[in-house]
Amino acid sequence: GAVVSQHPSRVICKSGTSVKIECRSLDFQATTMFWYRQFPKKSLMLMATSNEGSKATYEQGVEKDKFLINHASLTLSTLTVTSAHPEDSSFYICSARDLGGRETQYFGPGTRLLVL
Amino acid sequence: GNSVTQMEGPVTLSEEAFLTINCTYTATGYPSLFWYVQYPGEGLQLLLKATKADDKGSNKGFEATYRKETTSFHLEKGSVQVSDSAVYFCALSATGGYNKLIFGAGTRLAVHP
Repeated sequence: GAVVSQHPSRVICKSGTSVKIECRSLDFQATTMFWYRQFPKKSLMLMATSNEGSKATYEQGVEKDKFLINHASLTLSTLTVTSAHPEDSSFYICSARDLGGRETQYFGPGTRLLVL
Repeated sequence: GNSVTQMEGPVTLSEEAFLTINCTYTATGYPSLFWYVQYPGEGLQLLLKATKADDKGSNKGFEATYRKETTSFHLEKGSVQVSDSAVYFCALSATGGYNKLIFGAGTRLAVHP
């Protein structure tokens, strides 16, 4: 149980285009999902907290107009990187916390984004 | 603010050696503490957790004890295997808010036969 999927697993795009990444909880409902960014050989940096049916809460220094987050249902959150630039190339990871409110977060396998 | 400090890697061990990865934290209130593991090419998996002082989390031969007096949550395993090679992240979940996780920098473990 407690599986989180991400799609796509890998994406290459041209500079200036937008890329959408999906995060799904497959066997549980998640009121809260989190989006992280991981740089090579570095730790995870929390970008934003996504709550179903409400606006996401962004961490300091993260541009909300650059990284659009939508949490339309209890099993799906999306992250859209708008007008992507090479410096946005990174590994993006989502996690989900189940409806029961337990503290454990379940992580997706990540999406590697390369912007040319 | 809240933070997690882990020992820097990489840690290189021979199979069956004893493993310790140090983790200390700074937090207000009473956080929950976690160890996550990231195998090559995969996402993070919860390895173990402890939610209050003196709790011991354990899984797959790994153990960590929540030490409030030393603000530590060191990860240990008595006999490592090649399959344990991965990056290990210590994390805390602060009280309040949405239980955001704050991660340490990660420690890469390489186990050789």
